[in-house]
Amino acid sequence: DTEVTQTPKHLVMGMTNKKSLKCEQHMGHRAMYWYKQKAKKPPELMFVYSYEKLSINESVPSRFSPECPNSSLLNLHLHALQPEDSALYLCASSQERGTHTEAFFGQGTRLTVV
Amino acid sequence: AQRVTQPEKLLSVFKGAPVELKCNYSYSGSPELFWYVQYSRQRLQLLLRHISRESIKGFTADLNKGETSFHLKKPFAQEEDSAMYYCAPPRSNYKLTFGKGTLLTVNP
Repeated sequence: DTEVTQTPKHLVMGMTNKKSLKCEQHMGHRAMYWYKQKAKKPPELMFVYSYEKLSINESVPSRFSPECPNSSLLNLHLHALQPEDSALYLCASSQERGTHTEAFFGQGTRLTVV
Repeated sequence: AQRVTQPEKLLSVFKGAPVELKCNYSYSGSPELFWYVQYSRQRLQLLLRHISRESIKGFTADLNKGETSFHLKKPFAQEEDSAMYYCAPPRSNYKLTFGKGTLLTVNP
């Protein structure tokens, strides 16, 4: 299984809602990532987990809260988002070690904040 | 920081024409570079990596240390090659990042 699975595929939420994005992989990868991607732009790194611990937070606003419950799962909790947070949110995983490691991406969650 | 530059936002060619997507890197150390591709409505995926020196879907990329480049080439473009292409530096301090990308359009 070389897939990263993200749910839901689409999400519309109001600015006062709380929602969560989910990501799952069963490749034994110990590094997992959240990216935000706007249309026709490259993915922007948000968070990196390594061995279930948060390694990098790229100065992401606190209305985005990541969680890594175990080595296969990664969540992104959303609260009080703004319309400008509307984007495609991508999850990825890779082997933890090595600079030449390939990242595997999910299909993404298309988020619309209204 | 390990960075790559993709100077072209857009590239348009005709089917059957050669295509070259440019990527330059600007860091010292081992340039283990990657090309990722994102087809319309499909997930971002690895196309090829420098370390394996392979050809995927007819694409090749040669590392030129003198020019600090890792350009992606294909001798005869196909319509299905239309996609967004991202050059990526090796992972550094847990970070996996990408160049700004080049949108390739192959016209019939």
